[in-house]
Amino acid sequence: EAQVTQNPRYLITVTGKKLTVTCSQNMNHEYMSWYRQDPGLGLRQIYYSMNVEVTDKGDVPEGYKVSRKEKRNFPLILESPSPNQTSLYFCASSFRDRGPFRNTEAFFGQGTRLTVV
Amino acid sequence: GENVEQHPSTLSVQEGDSAVIKCTYSDSASNYFPWYKQELGKGPQLIIDIRSNVGEKKDQRIAVTLNKTAKHFSLHITETQPEDSAVYFCAAMNTGFQKLVFGTGTRLLVSP
Repeated sequence: EAQVTQNPRYLITVTGKKLTVTCSQNMNHEYMSWYRQDPGLGLRQIYYSMNVEVTDKGDVPEGYKVSRKEKRNFPLILESPSPNQTSLYFCASSFRDRGPFRNTEAFFGQGTRLTVV
Repeated sequence: GENVEQHPSTLSVQEGDSAVIKCTYSDSASNYFPWYKQELGKGPQLIIDIRSNVGEKKDQRIAVTLNKTAKHFSLHITETQPEDSAVYFCAAMNTGFQKLVFGTGTRLLVSP
């Protein structure tokens, strides 16, 4: 089954304690990205990756790191979490766009609800 | 950069009625416009999309229209059912950059 898998689904942590949220996809997608979802703000992109070893900042990258050592995995790292990073996080993946006849559909994971106290 | 506005933020309809959600975008270079449905506790799921070379697309009870000149696009759901209740997001993308920019979402409630 084609899917994007995030872990953990729920996480409560304390300010300053480093954490990693994992994301894995089994569709051989080149493009992966992380979003955070906050009430009234929709989904905002944190970081994205066009392919292995190629990553770049999205709209709200402060306080986050990512890596893309393998095509299927794209972990999100919070080196020193703060309460303003309490949010619902989604990983997504898709094929690189190759024109109007190539499927660019983005598949999303189930989400990780993070609470930083 | 791209900015997407979505209205209304909440929409309540009776079962069988139609529902319309509207979005506007700012970047005329955007050429791909997907719509996502997010059910409680789940990630967004693509329900329909449209590229800038067409003006309308239908899939059973759902349809999307695009007006490139006015830079707005809409989702139409006919004969709504309670299982259509969810949060719907529109998005816009310039496929050259492959970055999806989302609207703020519409909570649709379909009452039996």
